Amino acid sequence: GENVEQHPSTLSVQEGDSAVIKCTYSDSASNYFPWYKQELGKGPQLIIDIRSNVGEKKDQRIAVTLNKTAKHFSLHITETQPEDSAVYFCAAIRSSNTGKLIFGQGTTLQVKP
Amino acid sequence: EPEVTQTPSHQVTQMGQEVILRCVPISNHLYFYWYRQILGQKVEFLVSFYNNEISEKSEIFDDQFSVERPDGSNFTLKIRSTKLEDSAMYFCASILRDRGAGTEAFFGQGTRLTVV
Repeated sequence: GENVEQHPSTLSVQEGDSAVIKCTYSDSASNYFPWYKQELGKGPQLIIDIRSNVGEKKDQRIAVTLNKTAKHFSLHITETQPEDSAVYFCAAIRSSNTGKLIFGQGTTLQVKP
Repeated sequence: EPEVTQTPSHQVTQMGQEVILRCVPISNHLYFYWYRQILGQKVEFLVSFYNNEISEKSEIFDDQFSVERPDGSNFTLKIRSTKLEDSAMYFCASILRDRGAGTEAFFGQGTRLTVV
């Protein structure tokens, strides 16, 4: 079945340190992997995404890596800042017609000043 | 910047009552979704809607649920007879095109439904 596992559930880092969140997916037909940031009282907002034909993508302090063989993908945030504190969700879309997102459980990131 | 808007932000209802959650997707988007998030849990897919019909629904989306796009702009989720376990945050989302790989889903800010 379709499932995405995300770890850790909570992550606390000091400002300036790096944070890494990992996800695994079960459906080998998944081919698009977005990461969403959810701040309190708001809906999920896309921060970065990666397609299955790419191994790594970077956008300033944020990077995502994908290992298709192992069905793993990870979010890396460098030089963390207090405003990075939020809940982060990974997700996967399989190559179907509906664009349905399968979400991970979420990671609460706390960046301590 | 265009955004998905949802109303109300918070809805409290008695068990057994009907509720309608409303969404205005981004105007030129073609694919529409409802997701829900029970407190402390993951975001779960409920239903996808394209070309005025449901394209996929989850096991959660039983006969008590329905969706409608009545006027070309609003997209509604109706729960006919609410249960306590329907209490959750409900998110509407829309995608412009190419509902498969590579297209960003835009989410609304959510409606918190509390069934008492």
